[in-house]
Amino acid sequence: DGGITQSPKYLFRKEGQNVTLSCEQNLNHDAMYWYRQDPGQGLRLIYYSQIVNDFQKGDIAEGYSVSREKKESFPLTVTSAQKNPTAFYLCASSMPRTGGTDTQYFGPGTRLTVL
Amino acid sequence: AQSVTQLDSHVSVSEGTPVLLRCNYSSSYSPSLFWYVQHPNKGLQLLLKYTSAATLVKGINGFEAEFKKSETSFHLTKPSAHMSDAAEYFCVVSSRASKIIFGSGTRLSIRP
Repeated sequence: DGGITQSPKYLFRKEGQNVTLSCEQNLNHDAMYWYRQDPGQGLRLIYYSQIVNDFQKGDIAEGYSVSREKKESFPLTVTSAQKNPTAFYLCASSMPRTGGTDTQYFGPGTRLTVL
Repeated sequence: AQSVTQLDSHVSVSEGTPVLLRCNYSSSYSPSLFWYVQHPNKGLQLLLKYTSAATLVKGINGFEAEFKKSETSFHLTKPSAHMSDAAEYFCVVSSRASKIIFGSGTRLSIRP
C-alpha cells in the first residue's frame, strides 16, 4: 500500500531533550511538509522540502530542524530551544505540478507531550 | 495575498439531517480549494478538491462542495448526516503563486 507513515504515534519528552519524529512516504512524491496542530487551531507550517537535500523554513521554524537526505524520508527534530513543543505533529507529501497546485496527503500524526 | 475563513467553529446536527459547513476565501489568483476531514488523533484525509473545472465538486462519503466565485465561498454539504461524520473539517486554499493556507477548522457533532 502506498502512503505516509509517522512514528512514533505518541512521544513523551523531558524538558531540555531533543527528540526526532519520523516521516516516511512511498508515494514517490518530491515535496514533503511538517505541520504543527494545536487545539482549536488550524495547521501551521514548520518546514517544507521541495526536493532532496533542500528545505525551507515555514511560519514557525524556530526551535525545529529537519533534513532531507532521501526522497522518502523527512525527519523533524524538536530541539530544546522550542519553548512550547507539546502539540500534534503532522507530516504531508505532494507531487507539485508545473503551473498548477498540488494536493497534499497526510500521515497519521505524532502526538508529542513534554513532561 | 490569500486567506481562508471557516465561519463556524462548531456545528451540531441531528443524524439524517443536512450538513452545511461554511468556508470563505480570498485569493489574488485563481485558487485551488480543498476540504479535509480529521478524526480524533488521526491525520487529515482529503474529502474533495476544486481546481477550476466543474464548480460543483463531489467528494467521498457523500460530501460535495460548490465553488461560488461571486461570493468567494466553498461551502461543504451533505444531504444526510451519519454518526461517522463526526470529526473536524478543514477548508484549505492554495494557488500557483502562494502557499497553502488552512482554515481554523469546524468541529461537526452529530446528535442521535
